[in-house]
Amino acid sequence: ETGVTQTPRHLVMGMTNKKSLKCEQHLGHNAMYWYKQSAKKPLELMFVYNFKEQTENNSVPSRFSPECPNSSHLFLHLHTLQPEDSALYLCASSQEAGPTYEQYFGPGTRLTVT
Amino acid sequence: GESVGLHLPTLSVQEGDNSIINCAYSNSASDYFIWYKQESGKGPQFIIDIRSNMDKRQGQRVTVLLNKTVKHLSLQIAATQPGDSAVYFCAENKGPAMYSGGGADGLTFGKGTHLIIQP
Repeated sequence: ETGVTQTPRHLVMGMTNKKSLKCEQHLGHNAMYWYKQSAKKPLELMFVYNFKEQTENNSVPSRFSPECPNSSHLFLHLHTLQPEDSALYLCASSQEAGPTYEQYFGPGTRLTVT
Repeated sequence: GESVGLHLPTLSVQEGDNSIINCAYSNSASDYFIWYKQESGKGPQFIIDIRSNMDKRQGQRVTVLLNKTVKHLSLQIAATQPGDSAVYFCAENKGPAMYSGGGADGLTFGKGTHLIIQP
């Protein structure tokens, strides 16, 4: 395994629900990321945290709210989502934030919005 | 449109043959490239990277070739095995590589090629 775990692995939620995705890394890394992977589309970066500070918000709608309480844990809070938000949400970590630091990905949470 | 793309969405090869997966990029300023492998039900996994000061880099059964003249990147897998079945996609950094700090949004990802291994 990669050392990055995500829960839940699958989630079905209605548009009025509030849910949270959890990511934990056991690699001692300082940077963590949220990505969205939709069918037939490239991987899209959503948020980046470096040393617990958010460094990137890639024009993500406010219905997605990240939280990084410490460098090992990352959450993605979801509320009033739309059906087009259905996708695989991937968490990753790296030693530090930056394109040349190898990123280790979790298995993802498959989200379906009904 | 996206700046990184792949020529074929699906590639089918015989077990034991060599596989070549291609990627085109449009950002001449990109100086760092990565290939990822994503197996079904798993997250992407780093395979190999290459910097623009190199034309070729070899790993274990994999070789990445970079042709900066035509902005083309390829991944060659030798003696393809059933375990190589996955989606492969490339990524490039948007600008000169940052060796500290910077942002992960420096990476642009391609859509992926699904490699299918025929027995």
